[in-house]
Amino acid sequence: GENVGLHLPTLSVQEGDNSIINCAYSNSASDYFIWYKQESGKGPQFIIDIRSNMDKRQGQRVTVLLNKTVKHLSLQIAATQPGDSAVYFCAENSNTGRRALTFGSGTRLQVQP
Amino acid sequence: NAGVTQTPKFQVLKTGQSMTLQCAQDMNHNSMYWYRQDPGMGLRLIYYSASEGTTDKGEVPNGYNVSRLNKREFSLRLESAAPSQTSVYFCASSGMGGMEGYTFGSGTRLTVV
Repeated sequence: GENVGLHLPTLSVQEGDNSIINCAYSNSASDYFIWYKQESGKGPQFIIDIRSNMDKRQGQRVTVLLNKTVKHLSLQIAATQPGDSAVYFCAENSNTGRRALTFGSGTRLQVQP
Repeated sequence: NAGVTQTPKFQVLKTGQSMTLQCAQDMNHNSMYWYRQDPGMGLRLIYYSASEGTTDKGEVPNGYNVSRLNKREFSLRLESAAPSQTSVYFCASSGMGGMEGYTFGSGTRLTVV
């Protein structure tokens, strides 16, 4: 929605630079992680996912890194473009208990031309 | 186009009124979810349905009810709307017990006055 990200942390980068967005999670039982991109007025859009048996996964211009030891997830965007400007959320799921995604609070990425 | 369809896109209610938000998916997913998103926050789970015929409470279920009408459709009902329920509501579906293919609808912006 248009008010999403009103008080979110913001990462500002120059067009062409690489961006790194970080996420900490608390549930040690989480075994599936997704990064979503959300533009104003739209629903979350899937970017990339990773399962807990991996520590790195690459897509087109994006890489997700998972460090289970410190419960940390990061999203790297190569050669950031103005179209990458959005709010980015990490989400996690666990193989125990409630089988539904739990979302982080999000980071706003602003790409300066 | 395959995906998750939500109706309506916008709604204004008076305090105490009731309404039902509709959601349908055509990806043959077993699991469906309702989330709400408030400004500056990530998505929070209201209710979910792991499979047809089952529903379970999420993180913020108070004031809501749901119905899994069939495999395709999952509705969210507000029996007596309150201003605290002003939010953007997202429906989602997934396969493999919530471990793949999470897809979100475009959202319903609800204002309760």
